[in-house]
Amino acid sequence: EAQVTQNPRYLITVTGKKLTVTCSQNMNHEYMSWYRQDPGLGLRQIYYSMNVEVTDKGDVPEGYKVSRKEKRNFPLILESPSPNQTSLYFCASSLSGGALSDTQYFGPGTRLTVL
Amino acid sequence: AQRVTQPEKLLSVFKGAPVELKCNYSYSGSPELFWYVQYSRQRLQLLLRHISRESIKGFTADLNKGETSFHLKKPFAQEEDSAMYYCALSGGNAGNNRKLIWGLGTSLAVNP
Repeated sequence: EAQVTQNPRYLITVTGKKLTVTCSQNMNHEYMSWYRQDPGLGLRQIYYSMNVEVTDKGDVPEGYKVSRKEKRNFPLILESPSPNQTSLYFCASSLSGGALSDTQYFGPGTRLTVL
Repeated sequence: AQRVTQPEKLLSVFKGAPVELKCNYSYSGSPELFWYVQYSRQRLQLLLRHISRESIKGFTADLNKGETSFHLKKPFAQEEDSAMYYCALSGGNAGNNRKLIWGLGTSLAVNP
């Protein structure tokens, strides 16, 4: 089944403890992206990747890192999480760097709480 | 500035009634508009996009460039349409970031 998976789905952690949220897609998509969703602010892009080893900042990259060593995986790394990073995180992927109309496929979301 | 506005946070209608979820956008170029839907306990998924001019689950949306709108409509709402609906715009630099700019969403409740 074609899909985007994220792990973990739920995470409670403490300030400063490094964590990684994994994202994997099995559709051979070139483009992958991370969003965070917050009440009243909607979905905002954190980082995106056009292909392997090609990543760039979205709208709210501070406090996050990403890597794209393989096409299928796009982990989100929080080196030193802070309470303001408590949010619902979504990973998404789409086929290629083609038309703007590429459909984005979303993971199920990761609910992160930083105490 | 690029922006998507969904003026209604919550829309409540009765089963069988027409429904219209409003979406207005601000973008200087030629954007691509989408409607995504999130049913309870499910992931975000594409409902329809303007370039396809399709009708999905009875929903349609027409891009009105003059009014910069992309309202989602269905003539007869069903209870299973209850969900969160997001309007989104794709208008990043051509060939570059395919990021979506999102509205804040409208929660549609279809009552029996």
